[in-house]
Amino acid sequence: AQKITQTQPGMFVQEKEAVTLDCTYDTSDPSYGLFWYKQPSSGEMIFLIYQGSYDQQNATEGRYSLNFQKARKSANLVISASQLGDSAMYFCAMREGRGYSTLTFGKGTMLLVSP
Amino acid sequence: NAGVTQTPKFQVLKTGQSMTLQCAQDMNHNSMYWYRQDPGMGLRLIYYSASEGTTDKGEVPNGYNVSRLNKREFSLRLESAAPSQTSVYFCASSEAAREGNIQYFGAGTRLSVL
Repeated sequence: AQKITQTQPGMFVQEKEAVTLDCTYDTSDPSYGLFWYKQPSSGEMIFLIYQGSYDQQNATEGRYSLNFQKARKSANLVISASQLGDSAMYFCAMREGRGYSTLTFGKGTMLLVSP
Repeated sequence: NAGVTQTPKFQVLKTGQSMTLQCAQDMNHNSMYWYRQDPGMGLRLIYYSASEGTTDKGEVPNGYNVSRLNKREFSLRLESAAPSQTSVYFCASSEAAREGNIQYFGAGTRLSVL
C-alpha cells in the first residue's frame, strides 16, 4: 500500500483564489511528521510547511496552511490568495518515527495558476 | 548562505562509464540523503547517512555507492552507469535534533545515460 497518496495529478486555480491540494497517508507509527515541498519549473525542492503528529493546531506559514485531520489520515495543503508564482509541482511527504528517519514522498500534484 | 550544494548540475554519460555526484552542506547538519526523481514517481531514497561515519540503503540502492567523506560532504557514485539511471538526483540534509527534522535540498543533478 502506498504510504503517501496524492490523488490530484493536476489542479487549476485562478489568481487570488484559494486552493486545496490533497494528501492522505498511511502509518501505524504514533509519531510521524508530514511535510509539503514545492518544485517550480526550475527544478529545486523548496520546503513549505511541516506538521507533527502530536501537534494540536494546524501548521501555518504565511499563505500556506496544513489542514491536518488525524482520524482521516489526511494532511491537505491550503494555499490562500494564489499567485502566478505558485504554479509548480507540490509534493506531500511523511517521516515515520523520531530522529533521523527518512522521508517517503507522494507522486505530486501539478498546480497551475491562471491570471 | 549556500545551504546544500550539488555538483555537477548536468551530466551525460555513456553506458558503462562511472561518475561521482558531489554534495556539500554548510548548515552543520548531521544527516544527509540522496534521492532520485523520475517522471511520475516522486522522489525515491537511494542512500542516506544518519551521521558522519554511517551510511544505510534506502528504497533503490542497486547500482550506487555512497561515501560520507566528513560531516559536510556526502557523495554518490555510479560505478557502471546504465540507461535506467537516467534521472534527476537530489541531495538533502537535515538535523534530527531540530523540530521536524526538516530536510533541505540541493538544486539537483540532471543525469542522462546513453
